Amino acid sequence: QVQLVESGGGLVKPGGSLRLSCAASGFTFSDYYMSWIRQAPGKGLEWVSYISSSSSYTNYADSVKGRFTISRDNAKNSLYLQMNSLRAEDTAVYYCARDRFGKGGGDYFDYWGQGTLVTVSS
Amino acid sequence: DIQMTQSPSSLSASVGDRVTITCRASQGISNSLAWYQQKPGKAPKLLLYAASRLESGVPSRFSGSGSGTDYTLTISSLQPEDFATYYCQQYYSTLWTFGQGTKVEIK
Repeated sequence: QVQLVESGGGLVKPGGSLRLSCAASGFTFSDYYMSWIRQAPGKGLEWVSYISSSSSYTNYADSVKGRFTISRDNAKNSLYLQMNSLRAEDTAVYYCARDRFGKGGGDYFDYWGQGTLVTVSS
Repeated sequence: DIQMTQSPSSLSASVGDRVTITCRASQGISNSLAWYQQKPGKAPKLLLYAASRLESGVPSRFSGSGSGTDYTLTISSLQPEDFATYYCQQYYSTLWTFGQGTKVEIK
């Protein structure tokens, strides 16, 4: 069965950096676009970034552009999010999600991990 | 960016009720709309895509409709496990956006 397991969250000071990871299993990871989506405490969902199956294309929400970098290692079935210059407003649960684009569907998310909490506070 | 506005923000309903949630896009999105259900402390779950197509394994009491800028999610007979928060998401244009959510509570 499809599994996505995030890790790497934690407490970091404003201006600091953190790298999130997402381990994928149960499907051919290299066939799928992947995204990071976040949810601030008690708030709604915000798409953060996506990466194409071969890493040729990436895109970012304006709120993180220039600070966050998405990457993947298809040999390791892993997705990453490097987060730099973190701000208090980046505090959220970060989910990795599988994108159905190009697999008979569009850019919606059919499987999600359980999320990892990032807290930015001094 | 395309803004997605859901209404209502919350509602109270009883088991067996018919529930309708509306999602309005700031511009036409050509049925490029998905709906998700999220329960407290859990990841969102895909319910429908392409505005009206039911994801595999999702009960048929969930349905979607709409066109252009206006879309609806309907639960035909609310069940105890349906009390949750529901989100719409447009995927018409990159920089995908979600509605703010509709919380369905027990009356």
